[in-house]
Amino acid sequence: DAGITQSPRHKVTETGTPVTLRCHQTENHRYMYWYRQDPGHGLRLIHYSYGVKDTDKGEVSDGYSVSRSKTEDFLLTLESATSSQTSVYFCAISGPGPPGYTFGSGTRLTVV
Amino acid sequence: AQKVTQAQTEISVVEKEDVTLDCVYETRDTTYYLFWYKQPPSGELVFLIRRNSFDEQNEISGRYSWNFQKSTSSFNFTITASQVVDSAVYFCALSEAPGNQFYFGTGTSLTVIP
Repeated sequence: DAGITQSPRHKVTETGTPVTLRCHQTENHRYMYWYRQDPGHGLRLIHYSYGVKDTDKGEVSDGYSVSRSKTEDFLLTLESATSSQTSVYFCAISGPGPPGYTFGSGTRLTVV
Repeated sequence: AQKVTQAQTEISVVEKEDVTLDCVYETRDTTYYLFWYKQPPSGELVFLIRRNSFDEQNEISGRYSWNFQKSTSSFNFTITASQVVDSAVYFCALSEAPGNQFYFGTGTSLTVIP
């Protein structure tokens, strides 16, 4: 299996607190993505990165920021968590060649 | 605009029945890729197939088969002789180039009843 891990796997946090989710890959892939999965919406792109320090917004980026200081790590930060950010978050990586994602195992985030 | 529609929200079948999951997509690009992913109850997303827009050949892999029709912008997925282990949420997705984001449908939840 491709080397991609997400941490933490589960987190419960309070409204208004900052939260950082981590995605770590060992594949040296250029592209990394953060998606959120919600019932009735499928997976929606939050932010993505096409290289170190190169990131861009997806369709649901409000309330989220990202950073990528190393090829292997892509961090997703909720500056001030809200209940609407309760979701399952997936990281994905994509390498050269035809498109194809490998997904992490997901992080289940609950904001209370 | 890109869009993927999976009109079937939930499907239930009895074991050994055949079932088809529908996927309709929209894109203005002439080059694009279509995908199916499986999400079992454990929650991980498992890649099933990738198809590029220039290859309309149907594909069969064991009990799984895929029917790609550009004329109707559809990429349907059929499971033959369904099994309980096929119970999962299935997502269809579209991407237009390497590195580009994926556009996912809302998923079809399949339950196979023993």
